[in-house]
Amino acid sequence: DGGITQSPKYLFRKEGQNVTLSCEQNLNHDAMYWYRQDPGQGLRLIYYSQIVNDFQKGDIAEGYSVSREKKESFPLTVTSAQKNPTAFYLCASSIVAEEGYEQYFGPGTRLTVT
Amino acid sequence: DAKTTQPNSMESNEEEPVHLPCNHSTISGTDYIHWYRQLPSQGPEYVIHGLTSNVNNRMASLAIAEDRKSSTLILHRATLRDAAVYYCILSPGSGNTGKLIFGQGTTLQVKP
Repeated sequence: DGGITQSPKYLFRKEGQNVTLSCEQNLNHDAMYWYRQDPGQGLRLIYYSQIVNDFQKGDIAEGYSVSREKKESFPLTVTSAQKNPTAFYLCASSIVAEEGYEQYFGPGTRLTVT
Repeated sequence: DAKTTQPNSMESNEEEPVHLPCNHSTISGTDYIHWYRQLPSQGPEYVIHGLTSNVNNRMASLAIAEDRKSSTLILHRATLRDAAVYYCILSPGSGNTGKLIFGQGTTLQVKP
């Protein structure tokens, strides 16, 4: 079955540690995205990538970093510089980064930093 | 980026139709209208999208006003599994990067 996988589902870290969230897709999609969701809020875009070895900042990129070395993988690192890292993180992909194409979302990773 | 306005919450009875409204008065001529929904603790799921004409698919129908300043997502027979947050999103047509800007959406409750 094709789809997007995110691991782990729940992640706990101590303050001051960097943590990397995994996102893998086998849909052969060119574009991939990372969103953050806080309780009761909509999703906010962190980073997106339209093609391998290229990515752009979204609306809330500060304190995060990404890489896109392979088409199917788009890991997100939450660095110690992110002031409020506890959130629900969602990865998505689409065929091409154009209007009208639906985004497919993974199940999400819930990160808790204490 | 053009913004959308949706009611915070709506209620429906099971097996009745549901009309979820969305206002987007600043929509540009090339903006697509997307609808996604999100069940608790899950990623959003694509529902439907359109540009000018009304659209139908197996999940729902999308009715777009003639002036495109508003749209309505129609669930023809609500089930308990349709209880979710529904997001109405505009996707810029020109120079688009595929970005979706999510608002707070409408929380739909379905009563048995």
